[in-house]
Amino acid sequence: GAVVSQHPSRVICKSGTSVKIECRSLDFQATTMFWYRQFPKKSLMLMATSNEGSKATYEQGVEKDKFLINHASLTLSTLTVTSAHPEDSSFYICSASRERHTEAFFGQGTRLTVV
Amino acid sequence: GIQVEQSPPDLILQEGANSTLRCNFSDSVNNLQWFHQNPWGQLINLFYIPSGTKQNGRLSATTVATERYSLLYISSSQTTDSGVYFCAVLFDKAAGNKLTFGGGTRVLVKP
Repeated sequence: GAVVSQHPSRVICKSGTSVKIECRSLDFQATTMFWYRQFPKKSLMLMATSNEGSKATYEQGVEKDKFLINHASLTLSTLTVTSAHPEDSSFYICSASRERHTEAFFGQGTRLTVV
Repeated sequence: GIQVEQSPPDLILQEGANSTLRCNFSDSVNNLQWFHQNPWGQLINLFYIPSGTKQNGRLSATTVATERYSLLYISSSQTTDSGVYFCAVLFDKAAGNKLTFGGGTRVLVKP
C-alpha cells in the first residue's frame, strides 16, 4: 500500500503559539489530501480538503483562520494551528489517495496538547 | 441525511472467539474501507471493499452494496486485535474524495 507520513507524532505547545503539522505522501503524488480531527473515544471528523496549488476547502464549522492549510507541492500538505488554545488539543490525522475514488491511506497522526 | 452506522459500539471477546462487526450506510457508495485504529492512534488499512468479499488471514469482509451494508469478520481473535474498528465510506454523491466515518466499534479481546 501507499505510505503517508505525518510529523510530528506528538507536540506540546503553550497557549497563543502556533504549531505546524506536516503530511507527506512518500511514494505517490497527491493532488488532494484530507485533514481530520479526532476527540477522545470519538470518530474521525473531516476538517478540510487540501488542494495542491489552490485554496483548501473547509467543512462547516471549521475556522479557516485558525487552521491554516497549505498544499504547496504534490507530496506535502501542512496544517498550522494558529494561536493555539487548550480547546485545540486533539488528535489530528491526514489522509491521501493515489487517485480519485481509490483507497485512502492515513498518516500516523499528531497528538497536540496545548498548555 | 447521509449516514454511516456501526454496530455494536463495544465488544468484549475472549481470546479465540469469533465476531462480526457491521456497517450500515444510507446511500450508494463508490468506496468502502475498514480500518483498525491501534492504541497509538494509527489507522491501519484492513480492507478496501466497495463490493464483494475479501479475506486476509483471520479477517474477512463482505460488502453488499445493493443492501447498503458491510460486515467485518474476526476469527480466532487475539489480544492484538483489540482497538477500534472503523468503517469509512465514499458516497456517490459526496463532493471530492471525502470519506464519511462510522462511529466505530471498540473491541477488547481478553486473554
